[in-house]
Amino acid sequence: QKEVEQNSGPLSVPEGAIASLNCTYSDRGSQSFFWYRQYSGKSPELIMFIYSNGDKEDGRFTAQLNKASQYVSLLIRDSQPSDSATYLCAVSGFSGGYNKLIFGAGTRLAVHP
Amino acid sequence: DVKVTQSSRYLVKRTGEKVFLECVQDMDHENMFWYRQDPGLGLRLIYFSYDVKMKEKGDIPEGYSVSREKKERFSLILESASTNQTSMYLCASSGTTEAFFGQGTRLTVV
Repeated sequence: QKEVEQNSGPLSVPEGAIASLNCTYSDRGSQSFFWYRQYSGKSPELIMFIYSNGDKEDGRFTAQLNKASQYVSLLIRDSQPSDSATYLCAVSGFSGGYNKLIFGAGTRLAVHP
Repeated sequence: DVKVTQSSRYLVKRTGEKVFLECVQDMDHENMFWYRQDPGLGLRLIYFSYDVKMKEKGDIPEGYSVSREKKERFSLILESASTNQTSMYLCASSGTTEAFFGQGTRLTVV
């Protein structure tokens, strides 16, 4: 079992719709959860992070965390063509005294006009 | 403005060569990471370091080694480059929250 799992997609949504991206993780000791966006040929850039169960909103983005189910999601409201990218879920936790950061394989999102 | 700088954007090396990839961060972060990224496989952790001279293996350390002699610099070494090490290599650093990435090095081994 992979430590962090994501559906590879592509996830195709029309402009203006809500895009829902999902991620599951295996380590129950994980403490911090991140969503990165990566455009083709570019490095990943952070969109949001979340530490506590529940929802966290930032503009059009909402991260949701459910530690009991080991599940984290990202909702993008009013999706725009510029949101078309690969979205990477990352999980970290202090294991053995250090902070290991593990990524999922990413979900490719395509927003069509 | 935070900065993680990788020494090369593109690199072409021959099979069997010893290859050094350098990464420098200016944020005084304790943690530094080396990943490789291949289509369909996402970012796979090669090695990471949580302090000067300290290192831990990631998921795919075979064929690689690392060095961290100073806090700001983390080097990835390919002891004897092989064609299956052709990939995009990404360095990242983090403190207590998110990780910041360098621009990546696209390495081709011929």
